Amino acid sequence: QSALTQPRSVSGSPGQSVTISCTGTSSDVGGYNYVSWYQQHPGKAPKLMIYDVSKRPSGVPDRFSGSKSGNTASLTISGLQAEDEADYYCCSYAGSWVVFGGGTKLTVL
Amino acid sequence: QVQLVQSGAEVKKPGASVKVSCKASGYTFTSYDINWVRQATGQGLEWMGWMNPNSGNTGYAQKFQGRVTMTRNTSISTAYMELSSLRSEDTAVYYCARDQDTMTFDPWGQGTLVTVSS
Repeated sequence: QSALTQPRSVSGSPGQSVTISCTGTSSDVGGYNYVSWYQQHPGKAPKLMIYDVSKRPSGVPDRFSGSKSGNTASLTISGLQAEDEADYYCCSYAGSWVVFGGGTKLTVL
Repeated sequence: QVQLVQSGAEVKKPGASVKVSCKASGYTFTSYDINWVRQATGQGLEWMGWMNPNSGNTGYAQKFQGRVTMTRNTSISTAYMELSSLRSEDTAVYYCARDQDTMTFDPWGQGTLVTVSS
């Protein structure tokens, strides 16, 4: 039950796009279309941003999008805004359990 | 609105147990699984397990097998997570979260800080 691999940090300027990768194995990310992404601001609970690889909950801006290719899932944030600065975690179903990524700190320059 | 409200912060000694509660409102409690996730200070999210409030069935992460127990009281729409044999490494914020389906967690409780210290 190893954690999914995410870059520790990414950054971008306002208005730009950034992509955060999440690499797993054929037993988790590659095996199921049940990847979700969570945004967490300091001192706050995580917030669902993307589920089932690419679905967006109501209320989440369409600047957030998700995709998957093989064992790697990705979260893309376009038109970066200051309030997007946060930690982002990917999460995947893995059959009998759930595994999270180590988290990526997004800095908006 | 759908909401999960957790119990307050706890301070425990090594070897003790802690029981955290998670009260659901705004939806039918027995219709969605509750999951528990913890986060040590400055660290990432760690999944602990799930519980079906309708049946009481549970599934725990291998790491916590034998030390964690997830239960519920349907009459008050509340889920519980009890962790025993606490050690300093268990110091963390513990979250409950509703599983919408396909292990999609929304919403989350506000978190409960559990500090294990002698």
